[in-house]
Amino acid sequence: DTEVTQTPKHLVMGMTNKKSLKCEQHMGHRAMYWYKQKAKKPPELMFVYSYEKLSINESVPSRFSPECPNSSLLNLHLHALQPEDSALYLCASSRPGAGPDGYTFGSGTRLTVV
Amino acid sequence: TQLLEQSPQFLSIQEGENLTVYCNSSSVFSSLQWYRQEPGEGPVLLVTVVTGGEVKKLKRLTFQFGDARKDSSLHITAAQTGDTGLYLCAGEHNYGQNFVFGPGTRLSVLP
Repeated sequence: DTEVTQTPKHLVMGMTNKKSLKCEQHMGHRAMYWYKQKAKKPPELMFVYSYEKLSINESVPSRFSPECPNSSLLNLHLHALQPEDSALYLCASSRPGAGPDGYTFGSGTRLTVV
Repeated sequence: TQLLEQSPQFLSIQEGENLTVYCNSSSVFSSLQWYRQEPGEGPVLLVTVVTGGEVKKLKRLTFQFGDARKDSSLHITAAQTGDTGLYLCAGEHNYGQNFVFGPGTRLSVLP
């Protein structure tokens, strides 16, 4: 299995809703990442988990709450989002450090906040 | 913060033409990667370059890493409509856990 699977593919939520994005990989990668990508922009790093521990939080607002239940799963819990949070949310995984294999990205969740 | 610049920002060419896109930085990177991203999808890794001066070929794509490991180029020969997409370079610093994406080159190959 050489894929990162993200669900759902599309999500529309109101500003008072609570929802979660899910990411799964079975490549044995021990680093997992959340990126946010706005239209016509490159991905921006949000969080890095290494060996199931949060190692980097790029000053992301607390309305985004990551969780790594085990080495294969990564969640992003969403609460009280704003319309400007609408974006493509990408999950990626790698060996610790990108190395020659780079990052494997999922197809993303297209989030719209209304 | 290590910044990566890419040029050109946009490129529109006819099928069959050759093109080169560039990725530049003032910082030295332990590795540099090129990704291609299509609309609504995540980036897909094309190549990783590690050694200064390294050249890698992937069919019609040729990647070069600068001698000083601060810049890279991607050359596409005889472009095809399937090459259309956003080309992102990304540099890893000090073998760390995160790396910086360039702003991307948006390539459109017209039939």
